[in-house]
Amino acid sequence: QSVLTQPPSVSEAPRQRVTISCSGSSSNIGKNAVHWYQQLPGKAPKLLIYYDDLVPSGVSDRFSGSKSGTSASLAISGLQSEDEADYYCAAWDDSLNGVVFGGGTKLTVL
Amino acid sequence: EVQLVQSGAEVKKPEESLRISCKGSGYSFTNYWISWVRQMPGKGLEWMGKIDPSDSYPSDSYTNYSPSFQGHVTISADKAISTAYLQWSSLKASDTAMYFCARHLRVEDTAPIDYWGQGTLVTVSS
Repeated sequence: QSVLTQPPSVSEAPRQRVTISCSGSSSNIGKNAVHWYQQLPGKAPKLLIYYDDLVPSGVSDRFSGSKSGTSASLAISGLQSEDEADYYCAAWDDSLNGVVFGGGTKLTVL
Repeated sequence: EVQLVQSGAEVKKPEESLRISCKGSGYSFTNYWISWVRQMPGKGLEWMGKIDPSDSYPSDSYTNYSPSFQGHVTISADKAISTAYLQWSSLKASDTAMYFCARHLRVEDTAPIDYWGQGTLVTVSS
């Protein structure tokens, strides 16, 4: 079981909007920044959102992040087939003194 | 251009030892932490530990490990050649996985990973 909880899968039609949730606790999300990674099939992960809601240079503005309390969300608008991937949230955990990841969410674009 | 280039795939037998590498280029190696992340077949990402190769530690580097991996692997670095390592003294079949090295954006606990290596596939089978 992962320290951060994500839904195993989500699906939505092209051009629609989808959100992926990430639930944690006071020792990780409740106190520290959340980061999101996209992993395309057979590839290394890629930083998608950092420090809760910042978008790295080169990443589409269709991706956005938010956080409230001990939960965070990733939103993807204007879904495209190329968005099909696994998405992971991550945060530093003060109790474990390390990085914790969510279990990952597989996005299917119908 | 920042790059992390990992060593090639390995096939080993149980109880054998192994060291895989991750060479950083395009940035100052001693100014950024390197983490190792495991991904077992068909599974999610697991943080194993990190190393701070800072020149603050002239003869060594500071490491910290996830409790799940403490004592099972060793993370080290050779600053002179900008390379980090992940090492096992006695492999098990359950170590079969893809291993990624990754660089942290800043030298702080809450910093994200901004660059990833391409991954090294380790297969342990008798």
